[in-house]
Amino acid sequence: DSGVTQTPKHLITATGQRVTLRCSPRSGDLSVYWYQQSLDQGLQFLIQYYNGEERAKGNILERFSAQQFPDLHSELNLSSLELGDSALYFCASSVDPDTRSTPLHFGNGTRLTVT
Amino acid sequence: GDSVTQMEGPVTLSEEAFLTINCTYTATGYPSLFWYVQYPGEGLQLLLKATKADDKGSNKGFEATYRKETTSFHLEKGSVQVSDSAVYFCALSGQQGAQKLVFGQGTRLTINP
Repeated sequence: DSGVTQTPKHLITATGQRVTLRCSPRSGDLSVYWYQQSLDQGLQFLIQYYNGEERAKGNILERFSAQQFPDLHSELNLSSLELGDSALYFCASSVDPDTRSTPLHFGNGTRLTVT
Repeated sequence: GDSVTQMEGPVTLSEEAFLTINCTYTATGYPSLFWYVQYPGEGLQLLLKATKADDKGSNKGFEATYRKETTSFHLEKGSVQVSDSAVYFCALSGQQGAQKLVFGQGTRLTINP
């Protein structure tokens, strides 16, 4: 058990809809990362937050947004959903984002299916 | 920019066979290198890491050596088990720390009894 909790585990929704994915980081970790895993694109970094502030942005679409709350949990909001957004969305956390030897701890992911 | 290239899968082996999964990288400076494993239905777990040249990371019988001269971090195991069936990801963390963790495309490994 990594200590990172993601809800829900599965989500099925229709095109054009909006969903929110939730992540609770490991106790003591201040940094949260979101990744998208799809069959054709592999693991893509979306966005990172550190102690409530956006720290880094990757390949995140404008239809997607995220935030980290004072209790350090994070939410990833996906809107105007398209079929191509179907993927596994992972949250990860780390204690120190500035040290390159710091490993990430991953949750079990949310599987999003857009129909 | 930084990048990681892994050998394409899927890889299928018999139990007790020797395993090598190749990984090469492109990065400026001195990145840290990682292998993560993803078992079916689960998230990624850190398998091992190495933070400087010639370091050897090891865990659960798996090993990988950080080779700066060949920019490689190949994963090896002397005798695989059915329980090693999973997807393996090579990754690097470069100049911007963990926030710039870059993953390879993953290699699916299946071990047959």
